[in-house]
Order: sequence, then structure tokens, then C-alpha cells
Amino acid sequence: QKEVEQNSGPLSVPEGAIASLNCTYSDRGSQSFFWYRQYSGKSPELIMFIYSNGDKEDGRFTAQLNKASQYVSLLIRDSQPSDSATYLCAVKAGNTPLVFGKGTRLSVIA
Amino acid sequence: EPEVTQTPSHQVTQMGQEVILRCVPISNHLYFYWYRQILGQKVEFLVSFYNNEISEKSEIFDDQFSVERPDGSNFTLKIRSTKLEDSAMYFCATGQGANYGYTFGSGTRLTVV
Repeated sequence: QKEVEQNSGPLSVPEGAIASLNCTYSDRGSQSFFWYRQYSGKSPELIMFIYSNGDKEDGRFTAQLNKASQYVSLLIRDSQPSDSATYLCAVKAGNTPLVFGKGTRLSVIA
Repeated sequence: EPEVTQTPSHQVTQMGQEVILRCVPISNHLYFYWYRQILGQKVEFLVSFYNNEISEKSEIFDDQFSVERPDGSNFTLKIRSTKLEDSAMYFCATGQGANYGYTFGSGTRLTVV
């Protein structure tokens, strides 16, 4: 059974701070890692993906991957109230479908 | 930006009735998926579809479920005899290739009463 684990939160950060979201996965064969944002009642929206160990930056977002530790994280710099949402970690191995974690609810306090 | 379109946005049906959920994928995407999300729970994989056939399905996708691409553009999920526990948000997702992320449609909220 492939598992993707996330702390459900809520994670509360003040506006302008760095939000750090974490995810672990069980399948060592996982090759592709994705972060989705889901606002309440809406569909998941892809914000970042990472394939290689290390960091990948895109604007205020940085994804970090450590395959040896089976750990992937998302940093959101200069957090804004509009970043308040549930962040879903999703993992993929080869041609198999995306497996999602339950998500971490982020609340950015103005 | 290209979108995945789902209809209807909300469907209420009586237990035991058949429902068909519809999706129009992004035109150059080759991989199609159905996921569902029960309220407050995680997004769960149902079925993947590639080259006009099912490529993988989950334990949830039992004989009550079927998918097809009837006219080369629409992608449908049929639930033959709905149960109360089928109430969920159903998302269609499409992808360009095996290692790409998916684009999700806006979802169909299915309520079985």
C-alpha cells in the first residue's frame, strides 16, 4: 500500500512569514513529486513539481526533495492571506497514478 | 490557459439510480483519470484511461463503475446503481504524459439521497 503522509494541521503563520509544509512517502520507487493547493470546495491546483533531490524554486515557492529520507517539503515565503488553503502532497512512480496525502491546512493570519 | 471541463457541477440522485458524470479533457492530453474526494477526506484514485482503455483501477472502482470515451472528446464516468456512500466530489484529471502532473477539472459534487 503506497502511503503519503502529511500533518493535517492547521498550520497557522503570520502574514509575511515562511510557511513550511512537510510530506513523507512510503514507496521508494516514487520518482515524481507534486504539490497541489486546494481551496475549500474547489479542485486541486498544481503549484510545484520536483523530480530530483535538492531544492527547486518558483517565485515564493520552494520545493525540497530528499529521496533517501523519503521526504518532500514545500516552503512558502512571504505568506499572504490568499495562501490560506489545504496543500496536498502527491507522489508518482513511473506510469502509476498520483497518490495523494490528506493535505495540510494552512492559515495565514493578517 | 487550457481547462478541463466537468458537467454537471452538482448532481443529486436517489439511491439505486444511475448517474453519468462528464468531462471534456484538454485537447492534447492523452492520459485521463477519475478521482473522488469524500468530504473532509483525501483525494482518492478511481481509474486511469489511456489509448481508449482502462490502464489501472483502484479497489473502489468495482463493477458499479464504468468509464468510456464515447465520441473521442468527452470522457465519462458512470455509476450504475448509486449508494449513499458514493456521495463525494468527483474530479476528472488529465495529463500530457506519464511523468507529468495532472490538471484537474472543477469537479462534480454528487449527492446520493
